[in-house]
Amino acid sequence: NAGVTQTPKFRVLKTGQSMTLLCAQDMNHEYMYWYRQDPGMGLRLIHYSVGEGTTAKGEVPDGYNVSRLKKQNFLLGLESAAPSQTSVYFCASSYSGIEAFFGQGTRLTVV
Amino acid sequence: DQQVKQNSPSLSVQEGRISILNCDYTNSMFDYFLWYKKYPAEGPTFLISISSIKDKNEDGRFTVFLNKSAKHLSLHIVPSQPGDSAVYFCAASEGTDKLIFGTGTRLQVFP
Repeated sequence: NAGVTQTPKFRVLKTGQSMTLLCAQDMNHEYMYWYRQDPGMGLRLIHYSVGEGTTAKGEVPDGYNVSRLKKQNFLLGLESAAPSQTSVYFCASSYSGIEAFFGQGTRLTVV
Repeated sequence: DQQVKQNSPSLSVQEGRISILNCDYTNSMFDYFLWYKKYPAEGPTFLISISSIKDKNEDGRFTVFLNKSAKHLSLHIVPSQPGDSAVYFCAASEGTDKLIFGTGTRLQVFP
């Protein structure tokens, strides 16, 4: 059972570079989320989607874009990475919009 | 503005005793509350939840209590075991769109 899979697991970027984080779920969930975890800040919601073709802003959306072209995939893009975006990123999916299942995380360092 | 707060960053409890983790929230429109557990280098995993129409929910060693008038919930673990050592996140949702997380409490259960 794959559940929620995040790609890549680790990445180092230079300031100004762009990248895309991929999240894939095989549970046919409607809801998908991107969070970032920082020391002392807990998990903060970046963007989320309530179904294929939809996206919405979360608590900290600035500097990120997302797309949900297919129900099973939710992409998080950084157009011009900044050191403040150094974090651990978690993707999650949910069938109910309440209980969410998380991926293993992506550790991103921007230098 | 932090809508979900966990004011204790850490808690240390002896094995066999009760662990009590606390969470406060500010948004009176939250209608579902959840607790997640997170081990290092892993994604958070769902532990237990409670609807706003209830004041208690129990699942084995885990019980969540909700006090709506005080906008406070707590997680009780009895008896505590070394395997319970992890970071615990409180989360809340308004409707089914998104989950807002607290900053987490690191629980250490020692022999």
